[in-house]
Amino acid sequence: DTGVSQNPRHKITKRGQNVTFRCDPISEHNRLYWYRQTLGQGPEFLTYFQNEAQLEKSRLLSDRFSAERPKGSFSTLEIQRTEQGDSAMYLCASSFMGDHADTQYFGPGTRLTVL
Amino acid sequence: KNQVEQSPQSLIILEGKNCTLQCNYTVSPFSNLRWYKQDTGRGPVSLTIMTFSENTKSNGRYTATLDADTKQSSLHITASQLSDSASYICVVRRTGANNLFFGTGTRLTVIP
Repeated sequence: DTGVSQNPRHKITKRGQNVTFRCDPISEHNRLYWYRQTLGQGPEFLTYFQNEAQLEKSRLLSDRFSAERPKGSFSTLEIQRTEQGDSAMYLCASSFMGDHADTQYFGPGTRLTVL
Repeated sequence: KNQVEQSPQSLIILEGKNCTLQCNYTVSPFSNLRWYKQDTGRGPVSLTIMTFSENTKSNGRYTATLDADTKQSSLHITASQLSDSASYICVVRRTGANNLFFGTGTRLTVIP
C-alpha cells in the first residue's frame, strides 16, 4: 500500500496523559499536513511541513501540541497533558510540491478519545 | 472571515435517484475548490478540483459546477448508488496559502 498511513488508528487515554501519533506520507511527497476533525465537522488545519521545515502553525495548535518531521519523511504529532476537548480524529495528508494542483492525499486518521 | 458553508447538512435519497449538494464560500483570494468524499472512519478522498476559470467538471457520476462570481459551487450525483453514502466536503484553497478551508460537509445516505 503506497498511500498515507497513520498509527495508531485508535487511541484511548486518560486526561492528563501524553500521546503521540505517527504519519507516514506517500514516499515522494515533500509536503505534509496535520488536521483535526471533530464529529460532524470538516477538518481544521493544524500545521504544515515542507520537507523537515514546519512552515505554518494554526492558532488551534496550543503549546500542548508539538509536531515534528525530523528527516523530512514521517511526522509525529504529540499532545501533552491531554484534555477531554482533544478528543477528535487527527488526519494527516501529504502532497507533492511539483503538483501544481497540490492535491492532498489523506491518511485514514487516528481517532483519539480522552476519558 | 474565510468561510465555507454547505447545504443541506444531511440528505437521504433512494438508490438510483439524483441529488445536488451546495457549497458557498467567502474565502479570498480564491485559488481552487475541491469536493472530497469521506467515508465513515476514513480520510477524505478528492473527487474534483476546479480553478477560477472552470465552470464545470465531471468525474464519472459526479459533476461539479463553480460560479466564481457568486462564490458558489455544487456537486451533482447522478444515478446514486449505495456506495455513495458518505460525507461530501467542499474545500477551498486561498491563493498563496498552503492551508485549506473545509466546509462541515453534507452527510448523504442512499437507501435501497
